[in-house]
Amino acid sequence: IAGITQAPTSQILAAGRRMTLRCTQDMRHNAMYWYRQDLGLGLRLIHYSNTAGTTGKGEVPDGYSVSRANTDDFPLTLASAVPSQTSVYFCASSDGAPNEQFFGPGTRLTVL
Amino acid sequence: GQNIDQPTEMTATEGAIVQINCTYQTSGFNGLFWYQQHAGEAPTFLSYNVLDGLEEKGRFSSFLSRSKGYSYLLLKELQMKDSASYLCAGYDSNYQLIWGAGTKLIIKP
Repeated sequence: IAGITQAPTSQILAAGRRMTLRCTQDMRHNAMYWYRQDLGLGLRLIHYSNTAGTTGKGEVPDGYSVSRANTDDFPLTLASAVPSQTSVYFCASSDGAPNEQFFGPGTRLTVL
Repeated sequence: GQNIDQPTEMTATEGAIVQINCTYQTSGFNGLFWYQQHAGEAPTFLSYNVLDGLEEKGRFSSFLSRSKGYSYLLLKELQMKDSASYLCAGYDSNYQLIWGAGTKLIIKP
C-alpha cells in the first residue's frame, strides 16, 4: 500500500441496507477524515478523528458512524442507507492541522 | 457564518494566464489551501498560505490577503492538462477545513 486506499470503488445499495466504506492509510498520520462530495457543493466533513481512539462529528454526521481502533483504519458505516446519501465519499488523512490532507481515490455510492 | 466563495466555472486559452479568486469568511483563520481535482479523481494539494503575499511554485502561484479575506490562484502557461476543478479551503479557529464548491477551469486550444 502506498498512501491511502478506499474500498469499494463504487457500490449500488438498496435503501435501508447497512454499508461500511473502508479506508486505510500507511503514512502513520494521526488525523483522518471522511467527506462527501456532491455536485455544486464543496466537500463536506462527515466525521473526523484526530488520533486513534477518538472521533468527532463534522458538518453532516447524521446517518453515519465511524470508529478508529488503530492508526491505519477509519471505516465509515451507514446504518440504514437513504437515497440522500448518494454521493462520492472521500477519506483523507493528515499529520494534524494545519498540514495538508491527502485524499483516497473515493467511493461512488448510489442508494436506490 | 462560515463561507468560502469562488466562481463556478472559468474558461481560458492554452498558453495563457488565468486567475481564480476565492473569498472567505471563517470564525478565526488558520491558513488557506488550494487543491486541484481532475474529473473523477481525488483532490491533490497545490498550495498553502498562512501569511499575506504571493507564493510561487513553478507555473502556479497563490496569493493571500488576510485583511481582505481574499486569495487567488494564478496559473501561467496554461496546458490542456490544467483542465480541472480548483478547490479553495480555509482552516477555521477549530482547525476544521471549510471548503468552497470549486471552480471548474476549461482550457481551450
